[in-house]
Amino acid sequence: QQPVQSPQAVILREGEDAVINCSSSKALYSVHWYRQKHGEAPVFLMILLKGGEQKGHEKISASFNEKKQQSSLYLTASQLSYSGTYFCGTEGGGADGLTFGKGTHLIIQP
Amino acid sequence: NAGVTQTPKFQVLKTGQSMTLQCAQDMNHEYMSWYRQDPGMGLRLIHYSVGAGITDQGEVPNGYNVSRSTTEDFPLRLLSAAPSQTSVYFCASSYERHNYGYTFGSGTRLTVV
Repeated sequence: QQPVQSPQAVILREGEDAVINCSSSKALYSVHWYRQKHGEAPVFLMILLKGGEQKGHEKISASFNEKKQQSSLYLTASQLSYSGTYFCGTEGGGADGLTFGKGTHLIIQP
Repeated sequence: NAGVTQTPKFQVLKTGQSMTLQCAQDMNHEYMSWYRQDPGMGLRLIHYSVGAGITDQGEVPNGYNVSRSTTEDFPLRLLSAAPSQTSVYFCASSYERHNYGYTFGSGTRLTVV
């Protein structure tokens, strides 16, 4: 089943923070986060594994709550380059593939 | 190191025509997959492969076939194109099915008229 992302869209000023949430109705083994700019391919940001710790990548970090089957992506002091659509992908660890949410559109204004 | 290469980048088909979308990776990834992306729908899994000779269906497999004769190549075949197959198609690969992020190709924009 497709994970649910929130919010659907967010507009920020440069330097502001953002949180994007991803929620699943099934037990999760891992959560992936990707960013896609218009007309381009999705780009891998990070993966969070069951039993793993919170991950960080420069000013972008994420958490994974296994019990609640939720993940959140944190963008701190946003930069213009952070604009794009963010997708979470979830998998249960079995034979199924990675299932993506519908995406969160992030617009950073100067 | 080219990563994941998809061809063609654009294609227009008439209803009922068949074609093959090519996908090749040079990273020695075992896991490969095909997704379609439609406005407001996110990315939906069509087919995937965990290694040469092994393929399986994803969420939306109808109308598509795949094969995996080598580790590098994973072509997607449209058997009889329909307007509902108008979409952007992405091939993605990973070192293995679990535990690693995916590398996506640049996509094929397909229009069926």
